Amino acid sequence: KAGVTQTPRYLIKTRGQQVTLSCSPISGHRSVSWYQQTPGQGLQFLFEYFSETQRNKGNFPGRFSGRQFSNSRSEMNVSTLELGDSALYLCASSPRGQGGEKLFFGSGTQLSVL
Amino acid sequence: QQPVQSPQAVILREGEDAVINCSSSKALYSVHWYRQKHGEAPVFLMILLKGGEQKGHEKISASFNEKKQQSSLYLTASQLSYSGTYFCGTYSGAGSYQLTFGKGTKLSVIP
Repeated sequence: KAGVTQTPRYLIKTRGQQVTLSCSPISGHRSVSWYQQTPGQGLQFLFEYFSETQRNKGNFPGRFSGRQFSNSRSEMNVSTLELGDSALYLCASSPRGQGGEKLFFGSGTQLSVL
Repeated sequence: QQPVQSPQAVILREGEDAVINCSSSKALYSVHWYRQKHGEAPVFLMILLKGGEQKGHEKISASFNEKKQQSSLYLTASQLSYSGTYFCGTYSGAGSYQLTFGKGTKLSVIP
């Protein structure tokens, strides 16, 4: 089985621009979660999607949004980029997103905002 | 609420043991442990469900005290390959759909 695939691997943007990141989960996994990772802060939860529905959202401003398609692929969008948005963005998938399931992480998208 | 991990960093010599702690102020349904090596994705180590289970994975094991809302990860006879950052993640309920991670513990194993 192919693992979780995230594209692109690296992105460089300037302040004020917007960006879209993509995540393809493991086949058969219907839950996709997104995390922001910055040095010293660990992994901060952004949101979780299951069957095209957002079930939970972390404490991030409305500039951060996401969606999930019928094939379980997910995208996240950040509008009006700020310098502080520079981070590694990770997505993770699991079959149903329940507390007893392990998450499978992608390699992440490294976003640099200049 | 983000679980609290301790210590923040630890340096071990090969063969030494280490304990990493994770505590939460909320009642927990499950605790997850992941390890991330530099430049790589986090990799799953184990899940502990409420009930005080202790699970093992080679020389790495963990316990979960649901009454104290604490979990500990035990690394025995550490190897160089154990180096990395260890994260605990917690679910507050079976239907919470949000795995909340601590800030991580950086473990360095030296020869």
